[in-house]
Amino acid sequence: EVQLVESGGGLIQPGGSLRLSCAASGFTVSSNYMSWVRQAPGKGLEWVSVIYSGGSTYYADSVKGRFSISRDNSKNTLYLQINSLRADDTAVYYCARGFYSYSSGYSPSPTGFFDYWGQGTLVTVSS
Amino acid sequence: DIQMTQSPSSVSASVGDRVTITCRASQDISTWLAWYQQKPGKAPKFLIYAASNLQSGVPSRFSGSGSGTDFILTISSLQPEDFGTYYCQQANSFPQITFGQGTRLEIK
Repeated sequence: EVQLVESGGGLIQPGGSLRLSCAASGFTVSSNYMSWVRQAPGKGLEWVSVIYSGGSTYYADSVKGRFSISRDNSKNTLYLQINSLRADDTAVYYCARGFYSYSSGYSPSPTGFFDYWGQGTLVTVSS
Repeated sequence: DIQMTQSPSSVSASVGDRVTITCRASQDISTWLAWYQQKPGKAPKFLIYAASNLQSGVPSRFSGSGSGTDFILTISSLQPEDFGTYYCQQANSFPQITFGQGTRLEIK
């Protein structure tokens, strides 16, 4: 069974740093593309970052230069290092597993969609 | 960036009703569109991918259609457990994906 369990959230002062973790089971993180998506209180979903199976990383403009996505293959865990935190970073942060298409009949293709999500971890930035 | 606009922002319907939610992209995204359902305090659930393909385990009363810029999520016969907020997501510009602002579905 695929499971994603986030941790590491909490109350942090503006300008501070935090590392979020997403422990995966039931599949191999390094074989999938994985993303972080956040949701501010009462708001919609906002994509934050992705790491491809090959290790390439990409970020939303709103977090570029402040956030860093990584993974530990030995722990089958995804991370998000968040620095220079601002009040508008306050949100529930979800990790999500990428969904692959097998329709081509060849190798599975990343689609940009997400089939499994963790329960989320809340980051509150406030003094 | 590709903008996704959903309508309506909220809808109230009765059990058994047919419900439609629309998602419009700011540019052609072919069929690179997914739909998710989110219940309060829970993670999003993956419902439909590539505009019209039902994810495994999702009830057949859910269906999706559309291509290009206009897409529709239909619930053919609303059930009490279908309440929540529905989001569309485009992946045409993956990795730079974007979500719609959400449509809140309330059961009368």
